[in-house]
Amino acid sequence: ILNVEQSPQSLHVQEGDSTNFTCSFPSSNFYALHWYRWETAKSPEALFVMTLNGDEKKKGRISATLNTKEGYSYLYIKGSQPEDSATYLCARVTGKLIFGQGTTLQVKP
Amino acid sequence: NAGVTQTPKFQVLKTGQSMTLQCAQDMNHNSMYWYRQDPGMGLRLIYYSASEGTTDKGEVPNGYNVSRLNKREFSLRLESAAPSQTSVYFCASRGTGFNEKLFFGSGTQLSVL
Repeated sequence: ILNVEQSPQSLHVQEGDSTNFTCSFPSSNFYALHWYRWETAKSPEALFVMTLNGDEKKKGRISATLNTKEGYSYLYIKGSQPEDSATYLCARVTGKLIFGQGTTLQVKP
Repeated sequence: NAGVTQTPKFQVLKTGQSMTLQCAQDMNHNSMYWYRQDPGMGLRLIYYSASEGTTDKGEVPNGYNVSRLNKREFSLRLESAAPSQTSVYFCASRGTGFNEKLFFGSGTQLSVL
């Protein structure tokens, strides 16, 4: 992996479904990984900052895990709600922050 | 507490015109960033400044210049705008340390005709 890659690019789920997406990044020279939530017509806001291999973070129904050795992070949303509809971005931190292309989640009521 | 302030919010330029996007933060952050957002491409880093007096290229620096005027302000200049620079531009800042998160401005929607 040369760059930060996110999958899937988009996701449509029903209200109440649980879902997860992936962020892959180069495992060498790892410093930190950030997750951001970006709602339409707003600015991105930070969800999690993760620095250690095996890190697990949780904020309400949203959680994230980190595997720095193999270069991936998962974001999980339990019991999706329409207000979870947004684009979720991950960013690899070196001196600068490089973002993946994002996963756009649409939750249907 | 304003956070990160970007101006203008909207701008329409003709090809070849120049303009400067202004960004200021009041959080005493060392690092500041300029990103552009294009459909399906997430946020791409144009330039960043790790501290006052330093700037460095990001992923897509061609056609842009930056100035870190002081610790608070980081401006982005388009010397000769091109239609390919039509985008939404975001300024962001963060404190020192890998676990410091980014704070974003509200964005500038730029159209180059």
